[in-house]
Order: sequence, then C-alpha cells, then structure tokens
Amino acid sequence: EVQLLESGGGLVQPGGSLRLSCVGSGFTFSSYAMSWVRQAPGKALEWVSAINNNGRDTYYADYVKGRFTISRDNSKNTLFLQMNSLRADDTALYYCAYGGQFQGPFDYWGQGTLVTVSS
Amino acid sequence: DIEMTQSPSSVSASVGDRVTITCRASQGMSIWLAWYQQKAGKAPNLLIHSASTLRSGVPSRFSGSGSGTDFTLTISSLQPEDFATYYCQQANSFPLSFGQGTRLEIK
Repeated sequence: EVQLLESGGGLVQPGGSLRLSCVGSGFTFSSYAMSWVRQAPGKALEWVSAINNNGRDTYYADYVKGRFTISRDNSKNTLFLQMNSLRADDTALYYCAYGGQFQGPFDYWGQGTLVTVSS
Repeated sequence: DIEMTQSPSSVSASVGDRVTITCRASQGMSIWLAWYQQKAGKAPNLLIHSASTLRSGVPSRFSGSGSGTDFTLTISSLQPEDFATYYCQQANSFPLSFGQGTRLEIK
C-alpha cells in the first residue's frame, strides 16, 4: 500500500523558516518525481514545487521561488521542502503528492502537514 | 504560465441529477488535464486524467471530455457520496496550476 507521511509543520513567525519532510513507502520512491501542493484554509489547491526522480530537475511556483527549496534523499525515501522567509500567506496545509508523470496527475497524496505563519 | 478557470464556483443539485463542471485554460494544452474530488478534511482524490481517462476504480458515472482550452467533468447521476469540491489541474507544463474549485452542494 502506498503511503506518504508528511511532517515538520507548525507555528512560525513571519520571516522564519521550516523544513517539511515527506516519507514515502509502498512504492519505489527513487523512480518517481514528487511535488508539494498546498491549500490555505478554505481555499483552493495551489501547486508549490516539483522535483524529478533523481533530484536534478526542480520547478517552483513564482510565489515561492527564491524562498523555498525542494530536495530529496532517495536513500531514505524522503522528500523535503525547505521554507525560508515565510509570510502570512504561506499559511496552509502542505501535501506531498506523486503520479506517473513529472507534471502529474497526482495519483497519490499524503494527509498533509499544517504550516501556520503568525506573530 | 497557464491559468485555469473553473465554472461554476458552486452548484446545488439533487441526488440523481446530471451535473457538468467546466474548466478553461488560458492557452492550449492538448489533453493534459486532470480532475480531482476533495471531501472535507481529506486529501484530493484523482478521478480523471488525460482529459477523459477514468482512473481505475472510479465509478463510470464520472466522465471527462475536451481538449485544447475547454474541458468538462460530468457526473451523470449524482450519488450522495459525490457531494464534494472538484478541481481541475493542468499537467501540460510548469508551473502547474489548479482551477479555483467547484463546490457541489445538496439542494
């Protein structure tokens, strides 16, 4: 059974940093591109970033470019999202997700980790 | 960048009704569109990919169509478990993008 388990969310002050993790199991993690998708409370889904299977290609949404960094450790089946210079509008539930193609669709999703940016 | 516009933003319908949701892309994207269903407090669930291919296990009352810039999701006969929020997602090019969602409510 495929499982994606996110962690690392929490309350952080504006300008602060957090590092999210997503551990994958039940599939060959190193064979798949991965993405982060977020959802602010009561709002729509918003794609954040993607990384290819070997970690060499990465893409970002404009609203996080230069502040967030996606990476992965295939030896530990783990995806990361380093978030710096956090703003109030980064407050959201952050999901990791993957599918058969780099651009999606996303067949599998975690349950999310909540990031709250507030003073 | 491709912007996705969904309509309507919300719709009220009854069990047994036929419902259609539309997604329009700001530029042509062949068939690289997916539809998701999201229930309250849950992660999204993929329903349809490549505009019209039903994911395995998804009921046949769901169907998708379209190509280029205009796409539709149709639910042929609403069931109680279908009341949820639906999103389209373009899988044509980075940056990826989702529509703003359509909330399907019970009339």
